[in-house]
Amino acid sequence: DTEVTQTPKHLVMGMTNKKSLKCEQHMGHRAMYWYKQKAKKPPELMFVYSYEKLSINESVPSRFSPECPNSSLLNLHLHALQPEDSALYLCASSWTSGPGDEQFFGPGTRLTVL
Amino acid sequence: QKEVEQNSGPLSVPEGAIASLNCTYSDRGSQSFFWYRQYSGKSPELIMFIYSNGDKEDGRFTAQLNKASQYVSLLIRDSQPSDSATYLCAVAGGGADGLTFGKGTHLIIQP
Repeated sequence: DTEVTQTPKHLVMGMTNKKSLKCEQHMGHRAMYWYKQKAKKPPELMFVYSYEKLSINESVPSRFSPECPNSSLLNLHLHALQPEDSALYLCASSWTSGPGDEQFFGPGTRLTVL
Repeated sequence: QKEVEQNSGPLSVPEGAIASLNCTYSDRGSQSFFWYRQYSGKSPELIMFIYSNGDKEDGRFTAQLNKASQYVSLLIRDSQPSDSATYLCAVAGGGADGLTFGKGTHLIIQP
């Protein structure tokens, strides 16, 4: 299995809702990432997990809460989001979080906040 | 702060010609350099990576790295209409995990 999967593909939520995004990989990778991509912009790093521990939080608002239950799974819990949080949320994985390891992206979850 | 610069384009190239995409980066500590292709509405797809100065070839793609000039490029030979996409340059290293992306170059291959 050489892919990263993400669910759901699309999500529409109100500002008071709580929802979660899910990411899964079975490549044995020990680093997993969340990126946010707005339209016509490049992906921006949000979180890095290395060996199931959060190693970077790029000053992301607390309404985004990551979780890494095991080495194959990565969740992003969403609560009280704002309309400006509407974006494509991308999960990626790599062997380690070292700079030499290629990151492979999942198909993304397109989030719309009403 | 690490910066990665690309010409946003659009870059228009005739079918069968060579497309040349360029990228510069600000952090001299950067160690690895990646080219991703992204079709509209899709996620980035890794097409090339390079760590050492010089050229690296993979099929129709050649990545070139010049660390002294802090410059990375991607050449696409025998361009096909299916190569039309946004090409993102990404940089890793310099003490931080994760990738820093350029804004991407929109490439159009004209049939």
